[in-house]
Amino acid sequence: DTAVSQTPKYLVTQMGNDKSIKCEQNLGHDTMYWYKQDSKKFLKIMFSYNNKELIINETVPNRFSPKSPDKAHLNLHINSLELGDSAVYFCASQAGGTNTEAFFGQGTRLTVV
Amino acid sequence: AQSVTQPDIHITVSEGASLELRCNYSYGATPYLFWYVQSPGQGLQLLLKYFSGDTLVQGIKGFEAEFKRSQSSFNLRKPSVHWSDAAEYFCAVGAGNNRKLIWGLGTSLAVNP
Repeated sequence: DTAVSQTPKYLVTQMGNDKSIKCEQNLGHDTMYWYKQDSKKFLKIMFSYNNKELIINETVPNRFSPKSPDKAHLNLHINSLELGDSAVYFCASQAGGTNTEAFFGQGTRLTVV
Repeated sequence: AQSVTQPDIHITVSEGASLELRCNYSYGATPYLFWYVQSPGQGLQLLLKYFSGDTLVQGIKGFEAEFKRSQSSFNLRKPSVHWSDAAEYFCAVGAGNNRKLIWGLGTSLAVNP
């Protein structure tokens, strides 16, 4: 039973399209994240939600919009996709408290052509 | 500003040899420290973590790490590397009340047979 699951695993799309990536966690965690990993493996946090409330919003183009319908789900919608958006996007979740680790999904490899 | 440095971008070891991956951090308060591993095409998996107490922590897959406050380091070690350990290794520090993880750039480990 996958703890943090993302769909789709692979996504190939054309420039200018709009796409969504979905994430669900069954760990009962309060906090969820979206990360972007570029081709050099650099991990950059994009957003963090705690109990459906946005708490971290890094410098990300406003074409990226996260949505958390409930604390078990955090989706990422991307408008007007650009070539530079090609990356692996990871969802993660974390329990409450300061001494807890993040659990990651398997990633969504987005390729914009 | 908080930061994490992994000085070695790429390391190659022979199977059966010992391994040490370096991690240095910059953080004003008591850090929460993590090591994650990312196998090819996979998400990130927690190897071990340090929050407090014993500065030598044991993790999964035979890994251990030692927190040295005087050196601001949290190096990862394994006495005998297996071919299946070939992966990308990330060090991270948990910072601030929002528990945002600050990531190193990763060390890519290759294992020669």
